[in-house]
Amino acid sequence: DTEVTQTPKHLVMGMTNKKSLKCEQHMGHRAMYWYKQKAKKPPELMFVYSYEKLSINESVPSRFSPECPNSSLLNLHLHALQPEDSALYLCASSQGLAVFQETQYFGPGTRLLVL
Amino acid sequence: GNSVTQMEGPVTLSEEAFLTINCTYTATGYPSLFWYVQYPGEGLQLLLKATKADDKGSNKGFEATYRKETTSFHLEKGSVQVSDSAVYFCALTVPGNFNKFYFGSGTKLNVKP
Repeated sequence: DTEVTQTPKHLVMGMTNKKSLKCEQHMGHRAMYWYKQKAKKPPELMFVYSYEKLSINESVPSRFSPECPNSSLLNLHLHALQPEDSALYLCASSQGLAVFQETQYFGPGTRLLVL
Repeated sequence: GNSVTQMEGPVTLSEEAFLTINCTYTATGYPSLFWYVQYPGEGLQLLLKATKADDKGSNKGFEATYRKETTSFHLEKGSVQVSDSAVYFCALTVPGNFNKFYFGSGTKLNVKP
């Protein structure tokens, strides 16, 4: 099973709302990733978690707050977003062995619209 | 630095035509190379990968060979189908950087019946 699940599939929120995106995998992977993808562009890395610790933050604004409560779950908390934050948010996971360059397995994404 | 360059799209082909999508890279260290495919409204799916020079990745009729001498990883398929219409991303990752992926800009493929 190489499945990464993401909820919700679609989300519409106002600029004053607080919402969360959820990502889950049951492959025993220890590395998890958040990406943002705008239309007709490649995914842009936002955060990397390795063994539940934040390893990379690509200078993401603080209105995006990641959380990794356990090895299977990754959340992205959203607060005071701007319309330009509207995008497809993708989660991915990989084995997390660190010494290898590993395949990342992607979820289907959450399509976010900020009004 | 690390980067991936893909041919500009869109690429429009008739069914059963031969497909080539060019991908070249620059990398610090010895990269692993990947092709991912994204169908409309979906996430990315791994199509194939190669981890060392002269390796050939293959899947679903698609192939790509890791060419270190030309720093290339071109994607090919002998006979495309309408169902292959999607966006294709070439990507690399190098050792020691938490498996950070560097994606190319993506190439949209349209296959007409």
